[in-house]
Amino acid sequence: KQEVTQIPAALSVPEGENLVLNCSFTDSAIYNLQWFRQDPGKGLTSLLLIQSSQREQTSGRLNASLDKSSGRSTLYIAASQPGDSATYLCAPNGDRGSTLGRLYFGRGTQLTVWP
Amino acid sequence: GAVVSQHPSWVICKSGTSVKIECRSLDFQATTMFWYRQFPKQSLMLMATSNEGSKATYEQGVEKDKFLINHASLTLSTLTVTSAHPEDSSFYICSAKLPGTSANTQYFGPGTRLTVL
Repeated sequence: KQEVTQIPAALSVPEGENLVLNCSFTDSAIYNLQWFRQDPGKGLTSLLLIQSSQREQTSGRLNASLDKSSGRSTLYIAASQPGDSATYLCAPNGDRGSTLGRLYFGRGTQLTVWP
Repeated sequence: GAVVSQHPSWVICKSGTSVKIECRSLDFQATTMFWYRQFPKQSLMLMATSNEGSKATYEQGVEKDKFLINHASLTLSTLTVTSAHPEDSSFYICSAKLPGTSANTQYFGPGTRLTVL
C-alpha cells in the first residue's frame, strides 16, 4: 500500500522567504502526483500536477519537482506571502490495477507565513 | 469549470441518528465520485469509490452498512452515515472525476463537517 510522508509537518516563516516542502512515497509506480492546498475547514485546491514522465512543473511562484524512481517530490514556494498560509498536501496517483486513479494523501505540511 | 459542491457544509446531530451528505458536480457529469474522511491533523483517507448506476466500492475497514453511498445520477452522489456515533465526527470530502481526462483528474468539494453529540 502506498505510504506518503511529508516533511516538515509544520513550518512558520517570515514573509519573503523561499520555502521547500518535501514529500516521499513508498511505491514508485505512480501515474502522476499532485500538490494541493487546504485552508482550515475547507476542501482542496489543486496547485500543480506532475505527470510521471515529467521532472518538474511550474505555476507562478510554485515549482514542483518529481523524482519518481526515488519516490520523492518537492514543492518550492518562492517569495512566500501571508496568503500562502495553509496546509499543503502531496498526493501520488496509482497507475495500475486497483490503485489506478486513486489518490494517496500525506498528512501535509502546515505552513504559516507571518508579515 | 469543474466545480463540485457539498451540502451541508456542516451538521450537528445526536448519537443514533442518520445524516445524509450530498456531493454534486455542478458543470460536468461525473461517472465516478470519491468519498474521503479526514480527522484533525490527519491525512485524507479514501472511504469509497462511487460509480453511477452501480454499487460503491468500499475501502478495507470501512463499514458499507454504516456508510451508505448512492450515486443515482451523473451529477449527484450521497453519503449517508447511519446510526451516527461521536467517533464518526469528522470532515467528509467528496471529489468527482472529470470524464475524458487522465485517470486521476479529480475535483474536490468544500467538505462537510460532521459533529455527533
